[in-house]
Amino acid sequence: EAGVAQSPRYKIIEKRQSVAFWCNPISGHATLYWYQQILGQGPKLLIQFQNNGVVDDSQLPKDRFSAERLKGVDSTLKIQPAKLEDSAVYLCASSNSAGGYITEAFFGQGTRLTVV
Amino acid sequence: AQTVTQSQPEMSVQEAETVTLSCTYDTSENNYYLFWYKQPPSRQMILVIRQEAYKQQNATENRFSVNFQKAAKSFSLKISDSQLGDTAMYFCAVTRYSGNTPLVFGKGTRLSVIA
Repeated sequence: EAGVAQSPRYKIIEKRQSVAFWCNPISGHATLYWYQQILGQGPKLLIQFQNNGVVDDSQLPKDRFSAERLKGVDSTLKIQPAKLEDSAVYLCASSNSAGGYITEAFFGQGTRLTVV
Repeated sequence: AQTVTQSQPEMSVQEAETVTLSCTYDTSENNYYLFWYKQPPSRQMILVIRQEAYKQQNATENRFSVNFQKAAKSFSLKISDSQLGDTAMYFCAVTRYSGNTPLVFGKGTRLSVIA
């Protein structure tokens, strides 16, 4: 079974530039999460999708961050314009509900963003 | 709101020895899940072990076991016979028992296994 794919693995941009990250979840997984992991901290949820609908985006800085999940499969996360404090690892994860029971979330390898 | 606290930023252990990582959490939910994830330098989060809060029996996966104290809201991870490959960041996480809900993570503990 193929895992969660993310690209790029690394990105360096200047502040005020824009950047986009891509995630391809495990086939058949309806739920997709984007997490932000700042150095020295645990991952923090940015947005959760169920199929192509947003379930929770309460912690997404909507003035600069946006995300979409077209056709309920791949997802992109965009930052425009980037700030220095956006430097972090961006993790994508997916899971599949089974009768309402919690199932394991599978993570990609993340994108390390450095804003200079 | 749910919170997770890991009070040990760094720990080290000799190869083949046993080490325990601490985690406390807070939740208003009656039913929830607890997890330990491992994050090696490759950055990929790997599930180590999970515990359903309604189960009294502590979960065990090979060399990994937990000590789940529900009343104290404590969820520690014990690694027996530590191996060099266990060197990684370890994160404790909690989520509600309700379909697909996001994980709330602690700040992590960096574990170094020394030869």
